[in-house]
Amino acid sequence: AQTVTQSQPEMSVQEAETVTLSCTYDTSESDYYLFWYKQPPSRQMILVIRQEAYKQQNATENRFSVNFQKAAKSFSLKISDSQLGDAAMYFCAYRSVLLAGAGSYQLTFGKGTKLSVIP
Amino acid sequence: DAMVIQNPRYQVTQFGKPVTLSCSQTLNHNVMYWYQQKSSQAPKLLFHYYDKDFNNEADTPDNFQSRRPNTSFCFLDIRSPGLGDAAMYLCATSRALTGNTEAFFGQGTRLTVV
Repeated sequence: AQTVTQSQPEMSVQEAETVTLSCTYDTSESDYYLFWYKQPPSRQMILVIRQEAYKQQNATENRFSVNFQKAAKSFSLKISDSQLGDAAMYFCAYRSVLLAGAGSYQLTFGKGTKLSVIP
Repeated sequence: DAMVIQNPRYQVTQFGKPVTLSCSQTLNHNVMYWYQQKSSQAPKLLFHYYDKDFNNEADTPDNFQSRRPNTSFCFLDIRSPGLGDAAMYLCATSRALTGNTEAFFGQGTRLTVV
């Protein structure tokens, strides 16, 4: 079974600064998908960025980018020019490529990192 | 416009009293999921529907049931809630089961058991 670990329960960043959230995962599969989801207070979880493991190029979405290190099984999220609206819980998630068995289709989440943005 | 809607946002129920949480979607997605999210823990998948096919996770307690009467609606029934069932319950949908398909989440229902 895959596991996802987010070692930083809470982080804070000054507005306009850059912050990096860490995520590591454990898997025996060679191909898979990785996601970062954002869950603002009292609002629904939304997708921030996704990465396909077979792609070497790191995904980027505006101010959000990832550092995907496949050999190290690391998938960190960098938020540049942090804004007050970035304050939220951030979840790293893993998903298998194939339906290799029951549950392999599901998103496996880390415990989350609570990000605070200081004005 | 909300695409995955969960009602109610907050639910208080008595210990042992059956409770139903609802989820609706306007995305016409094939797959609907129910996750349980306890404080400071990762969301945990309880079960999912692919169209009308129901799939229960192996470690989901029998106390939890689900119904999907049509594409748009899915219900989570907790037959005899215990104090340990207090949590945020998240409904999600996706177009397909595999691939890098994005999952769309509702705002969640926070369940309190008294």
